[in-house]
Amino acid sequence: DQQVKQNSPSLSVQEGRISILNCDYTNSMFDYFLWYKKYPAEGPTFLISISSIKDKNEDGRFTVFLNKSAKHLSLHIVPSQPGDSAVYFCAASPFFGSSNTGKLIFGQGTTLQVKP
Amino acid sequence: DADVTQTPRNRITKTGKRIMLECSQTKGHDRMYWYRQDPGLGLRLIYYSFDVKDINKGEISDGYSVSRQAQAKFSLSLESAIPNQTALYFCATSEREETQYFGPGTRLLVL
Repeated sequence: DQQVKQNSPSLSVQEGRISILNCDYTNSMFDYFLWYKKYPAEGPTFLISISSIKDKNEDGRFTVFLNKSAKHLSLHIVPSQPGDSAVYFCAASPFFGSSNTGKLIFGQGTTLQVKP
Repeated sequence: DADVTQTPRNRITKTGKRIMLECSQTKGHDRMYWYRQDPGLGLRLIYYSFDVKDINKGEISDGYSVSRQAQAKFSLSLESAIPNQTALYFCATSEREETQYFGPGTRLLVL
């Protein structure tokens, strides 16, 4: 059973426009959410995170939104650049302080292509 | 130099062979993890270790074993490799509950 789902395998946007990547989760014990970016032949790299006590976190061109009632988070990239073309994974971590803390559950990934 | 290194980067082996994948880190983190990535499935946790004496199974530990030789080293073994273990394997480290840092991955093909 996939607890973290990214239902769009791929997304294509024009340079300069907004990219919106979506992620849904089913486990209400998830308390902390992260986005990772992965280029071919490299390991995933951390991009941005959000705690369940917030509904928005911004870092430069990247903003993550969390809707706890809908169990949904999204990553907005504005403006999108060709160098943003990569696979994006969302990940969730169980309740901070529990014995499961530190274990990440990943979604399937969304491949973003930003066209010049 | 990379903070998290994995060896080998690529490996081809035959069914039934024993194989070891190695991970080293210079970040000084206590926590280390092994994941595998398969197309359409994302990254799935195989084993994790919160310190040298603490090793735990993840979602998909069957057919795998690990060894935490030191704080900086965490090895993954496939005791008898089978074709459905063909995947991309990643090692990661973290400082307690915080962000995980990944190695570059090992691409394994089991024939």
